[in-house]
Amino acid sequence: KAGVTQTPRYLIKTRGQQVTLSCSPISGHRSVSWYQQTPGQGLQFLFEYFSETQRNKGNFPGRFSGRQFSNSRSEMNVSTLELGDSALYLCASSFYGTGETGELFFGEGSRLTVL
Amino acid sequence: DQQVKQNSPSLSVQEGRISILNCDYTNSMFDYFLWYKKYPAEGPTFLISISSIKDKNEDGRFTVFLNKSAKHLSLHIVPSQPGDSAVYFCAASGPSGYALNFGKGTSLLVTP
Repeated sequence: KAGVTQTPRYLIKTRGQQVTLSCSPISGHRSVSWYQQTPGQGLQFLFEYFSETQRNKGNFPGRFSGRQFSNSRSEMNVSTLELGDSALYLCASSFYGTGETGELFFGEGSRLTVL
Repeated sequence: DQQVKQNSPSLSVQEGRISILNCDYTNSMFDYFLWYKKYPAEGPTFLISISSIKDKNEDGRFTVFLNKSAKHLSLHIVPSQPGDSAVYFCAASGPSGYALNFGKGTSLLVTP
């Protein structure tokens, strides 16, 4: 059974640019969450989607957005990149979301560097 | 506002001994707690969890203890093995669900 797949694994952007990250969840999983990991803040929740609907959003500016497609694949977008957006962006999937058992299955992440 | 806190950034333990990783939380609405393990260049992997209706959950060498009155949980690894060397994240979720609140992690090093 394939795991959560994130693309690209690594990318470098410059300030002011925008970036789109992609996530393919485990087959059958309908919930996709995104987290940002930085050395100083640990893992911080960005947003969660279930059946193409955003159910919850973390405390991030509007430059961070996402969406989920009918096949449960998800994308997140960051516009007008800032140096502080440099981080590992992790996607996680589950059947129902953390409201049920709490267990999430994480991908390996997309490492974004903003210069 | 960090609702889940892991106050020890790192911990070093000898192989065969017990590793105890601690976690405190501030939100009394949290009702489910989890530990994740993360190796470099990999995503976090689920380790063990506990519901707020329990005070202990065991899975092999891993035991999680929950003290609701103190808003404290701990992960015990016995015996510790070099392969356990990783960053351990404590996480919590509440009745509204849909999001995990993570601590900043504790880097565990198990030395031979």
